[in-house]
Amino acid sequence: DAKTTQPPSMDCAEGRAANLPCNHSTISGNEYVYWYRQIHSQGPQYIIHGLKNNETNEMASLIITEDRKSSTLILPHATLRDTAVYYCIVRAPFTSGGSNYKLTFGKGTLLTVNP
Amino acid sequence: GAGVSQTPSNKVTEKGKYVELRCDPISGHTALYWYRQSLGQGPEFLIYFQGTGAADDSGLPNDRFFAVRPEGSVSTLKIQRTERGDSAMYLCASSSLFGNTQYFGPGTRLTVL
Repeated sequence: DAKTTQPPSMDCAEGRAANLPCNHSTISGNEYVYWYRQIHSQGPQYIIHGLKNNETNEMASLIITEDRKSSTLILPHATLRDTAVYYCIVRAPFTSGGSNYKLTFGKGTLLTVNP
Repeated sequence: GAGVSQTPSNKVTEKGKYVELRCDPISGHTALYWYRQSLGQGPEFLIYFQGTGAADDSGLPNDRFFAVRPEGSVSTLKIQRTERGDSAMYLCASSSLFGNTQYFGPGTRLTVL
């Protein structure tokens, strides 16, 4: 799986949009971009994933650049409960073989939402 | 249940003891994964089950670690002769047969004194 690079930490004011960047310059054509977050002492929580097109769900939006070498996770109105470590992971589809069932986590970005 | 559950939530044991950690996946999910997370690090893959069989146990650190899933649902991670270095958060996740999205449980915090 391609390697990802994320800033170690970011701050955001409550009510503002939080924009979390991720670089994945070696991403392959069939690899998806996944985002998880982990609130302190809890298990990782799935947020969103995408391949080429931008995606939106009730939690967040995912913007993937046209060359797919980077992406941004957007939390449109951050709350104090969004304080967590956010992980960006790239992974090929399960059915493409190899060991792509594994999620390879980096250290992620610690997002702190301030009142 | 609605999500992945893990028991116990916390386990404190003494060096040399045996422990069992349980994972109950989302109903109908055939794939189950165990990960381990040390302080300040992201989760690291341990083992993957598809149904009852361990399809990949390459992440298990040594032969003191073993996991089973006898009926293709609940899984138990077993650690023999625990060492202080085994202290970590043990996470379980599940997904559908060819599902790309893994859903995690709350984890078991293991502390070896």
